[in-house]
Amino acid sequence: AQKVTQAQTEISVVEKEDVTLDCVYETRDTTYYLFWYKQPPSGELVFLIRRNSFDEQNEISGRYSWNFQKSTSSFNFTITASQVVDSAVYFCALTGGTSYGKLTFGQGTILTVHP
Amino acid sequence: NAGVMQNPRHLVRRRGQEARLRCSPMKGHSHVYWYRQLPEEGLKFMVYLQKENIIDESGMPKERFSAEFPKEGPSILRIQQVVRGDSAAYFCASSPPLLGGNSPLHFGNGTRLTVT
Repeated sequence: AQKVTQAQTEISVVEKEDVTLDCVYETRDTTYYLFWYKQPPSGELVFLIRRNSFDEQNEISGRYSWNFQKSTSSFNFTITASQVVDSAVYFCALTGGTSYGKLTFGQGTILTVHP
Repeated sequence: NAGVMQNPRHLVRRRGQEARLRCSPMKGHSHVYWYRQLPEEGLKFMVYLQKENIIDESGMPKERFSAEFPKEGPSILRIQQVVRGDSAAYFCASSPPLLGGNSPLHFGNGTRLTVT
């Protein structure tokens, strides 16, 4: 069975601080995909990144960066110089190699960025 | 280039009524996935459909819930005789048959069902 754990239920930071959201996963699949989604207060799910299990390169996109480490089964997400607009619930998710859209989600981390 | 379209955005039903939620996949996508987000909870997989086929319904409640994806038209998630516990946000996503590499998986904006 697959499992995704986001141990941080809520994080509160002040604007311009860096913040890292943790994600640890469990799977028996040798090929799998990891995702991060953002759910702002308006409720939609915004796709941030998808990473396959063979690609351990870290990714940077503007203020966002992701650190994928297979050795520790972690896929952590860092926001640099956080802004109030980053306030949202962030979900990490996992899917196996044969059913691409059947995701197992973590419980989510509520990030609040204070001005 | 429309994304995944869900309607209605909000749906209010009284207990015992039927709810129909619609999902139009992205152009060229033949696979649809439905998820439910109960209040204060994460998202849970419900069902995976291809055109005219249910591939995986392991997350669907045993009673009152059904889903279809006809040859023409949107995918429909149908909830019969709704109860208050069905109040939730329902999301769908779509994909082509193979989603390789680091291709995105986009969700629709969701339908928020409220049962009164």
